[in-house]
Amino acid sequence: QQPVQSPQAVILREGEDAVINCSSSKALYSVHWYRQKHGEAPVFLMILLKGGEQKGHEKISASFNEKKQQSSLYLTASQLSYSGTYFCGTYSGAGSYQLTFGKGTKLSVIP
Amino acid sequence: EADIYQTPRYLVIGTGKKITLECSQTMGHDKMYWYQQDPGMELHLIHYSYGVNSTEKGDLSSESTVSRIRTEHFPLTLESARPSHTSQYLCASSGSRVLNTGELFFGEGSRLTVL
Repeated sequence: QQPVQSPQAVILREGEDAVINCSSSKALYSVHWYRQKHGEAPVFLMILLKGGEQKGHEKISASFNEKKQQSSLYLTASQLSYSGTYFCGTYSGAGSYQLTFGKGTKLSVIP
Repeated sequence: EADIYQTPRYLVIGTGKKITLECSQTMGHDKMYWYQQDPGMELHLIHYSYGVNSTEKGDLSSESTVSRIRTEHFPLTLESARPSHTSQYLCASSGSRVLNTGELFFGEGSRLTVL
């Protein structure tokens, strides 16, 4: 089942902060975050695992609330390079190989 | 740096033609995926494979077919292309041994236009 992302789009000025949310009606075992710039392939940002373990890179943080079946991606002091569409992805079950993405959040950072 | 390659990058063909989109990875990953994405839109999983000789359909129904005869190769075929098949097709792979944890490495995509 497809995770739900919010907001659909957000415009920031450089230096401002943003939060992107991802929620699911099913139990989550992990949440993945990817960023896709215009005309490019999605690039892995971060994975959050059940139990609190995080793996990722870049200056972006995220949280994972297993009980609420939600994850949030925090972009602080945004830079122009943060512009793009952010997708969260979840597996459909504990033994699933099928990673399903939300509809995406388009982030535009302006000078 | 991910080593996953897709060819062709761009393809314009006429209705009714048979096409194969190639995807190869040199990382030895066991899991491979095909996603379909219209410009600026969401990623739809159409096929995936968790190893040689395994293929499964994804969330979005597709008239395309796939095969996985070799670990590194996961081609997608359309027997008779139609304008409704016009889209970008993204191939991805994952090598994690722990379920639900593997990051996906994406190829640069194949942009298909059917006239």
